[in-house]
Amino acid sequence: NAGVTQTPKFRVLKTGQSMTLLCAQDMNHEYMYWYRQDPGMGLRLIHYSVGEGTTAKGEVPDGYNVSRLKKQNFLLGLESAAPSQTSVYFCASNSGGGPSGELFFGEGSRLTVL
Amino acid sequence: GNSVTQMEGPVTLSEEAFLTINCTYTATGYPSLFWYVQYPGEGLQLLLKATKADDKGSNKGFEATYRKETTSFHLEKGSVQVSDSAVYFCALRRGWVRGSTLGRLYFGRGTQLTVWP
Repeated sequence: NAGVTQTPKFRVLKTGQSMTLLCAQDMNHEYMYWYRQDPGMGLRLIHYSVGEGTTAKGEVPDGYNVSRLKKQNFLLGLESAAPSQTSVYFCASNSGGGPSGELFFGEGSRLTVL
Repeated sequence: GNSVTQMEGPVTLSEEAFLTINCTYTATGYPSLFWYVQYPGEGLQLLLKATKADDKGSNKGFEATYRKETTSFHLEKGSVQVSDSAVYFCALRRGWVRGSTLGRLYFGRGTQLTVWP
């Protein structure tokens, strides 16, 4: 049982390059999220989606774009990478409904921007 | 607004010591509260949760009680093990509001725990 899978797990970019992180979940979840994790900052929400074809901004959306063309996939794009985007990125999903639903996380994607 | 404040680490303990990690929250409505754990090199996983006041969540020897009067959800364990070394995150999901993103969680900054043998 795969759960939430992120690719790639590691990537090094030069400033100004673009890339896409892919998140795939096999639990038929409606809600998907992209977080970034930085030392001392905890997890900050970048963008999220409440269903196929929908996206919305989180706390720190600048410099990122997302798409949810298929229910199981949530893509995070960096059009022009900057050193400030060096971070560990986590994708998560849940069913969204009810107060106690668990959030399921991928293993993370470590991005370094030189 | 909605926010979570947890004690800053790192926390270093000897094996079998008692653990407390403090967590307080600010929220609208009646939030659900969670503790997530992140082991080295892995994603976060749910450790325990509580959905209403006075509920106690427990798992793997860890406990936390939802205290509405003090807006707290402190994590405790009576006897820690080396294998408990990880980063612990307190989180809340706000109470249901029509049209809101019910699934969204708000996280604290995380507390690094290191347990020595």
